[in-house]
Amino acid sequence: GAVVSQHPSWVICKSGTSVKIECRSLDFQATTMFWYRQFPKQSLMLMATSNEGSKATYEQGVEKDKFLINHASLTLSTLTVTSAHPEDSSFYICSAGGVSGSYNEQFFGPGTRLTVL
Amino acid sequence: SQQGEEDPQALSIQEGENATMNCSYKTSINNLQWYRQNSGRGLVHLILIRSNEREKHSGRLRVTLDTSKKSSSLLITASRAADTASYFCATAAYNQGGKLIFGQGTELSVKP
Repeated sequence: GAVVSQHPSWVICKSGTSVKIECRSLDFQATTMFWYRQFPKQSLMLMATSNEGSKATYEQGVEKDKFLINHASLTLSTLTVTSAHPEDSSFYICSAGGVSGSYNEQFFGPGTRLTVL
Repeated sequence: SQQGEEDPQALSIQEGENATMNCSYKTSINNLQWYRQNSGRGLVHLILIRSNEREKHSGRLRVTLDTSKKSSSLLITASRAADTASYFCATAAYNQGGKLIFGQGTELSVKP
């Protein structure tokens, strides 16, 4: 399968600062990337769908002004958590979408652990 | 929003036993996928079953899909300690651009 990387793999920041997480598809062009958040012992919650060259589509309840998504190229999407607070501490996972046969396939990154102090 | 429910939430078995996890969903789907996640790590794609398929095998994994009941099951045969992980089902609906909705997951513990 395709390879998706995330950077950083973990980050610790102070409350009120902004943190940028990068998601890269290394060996294919991804027109669509997805961002998920996962709290401890819970499942993945889709935050937003990011399409190259257009605005992201956010899921209900996700603040678009707090979680800024940019998908400027076919291999890179970024998620910026603005004015982070301790409740934003979570595991953030991205995936890059491709088309295989008759279905859309997603390739997941290894995740970024964010801790806000 | 989460579409799927999985049961059991946690399952503890001995090595060599079979493990069965179930997933239910609410809307029509294009396909259903199963993923494994080791603690604190990313997702590993296990198997995908299309809506027109009823059963699929991959090594020690067997997945069934019953679209009339909107449910799926994952069977891991002859489990190993290395199978210890959380298992998630995820559904993809038609015309949703590949968006996946994940179930709540089953935490599997295989004791040596």
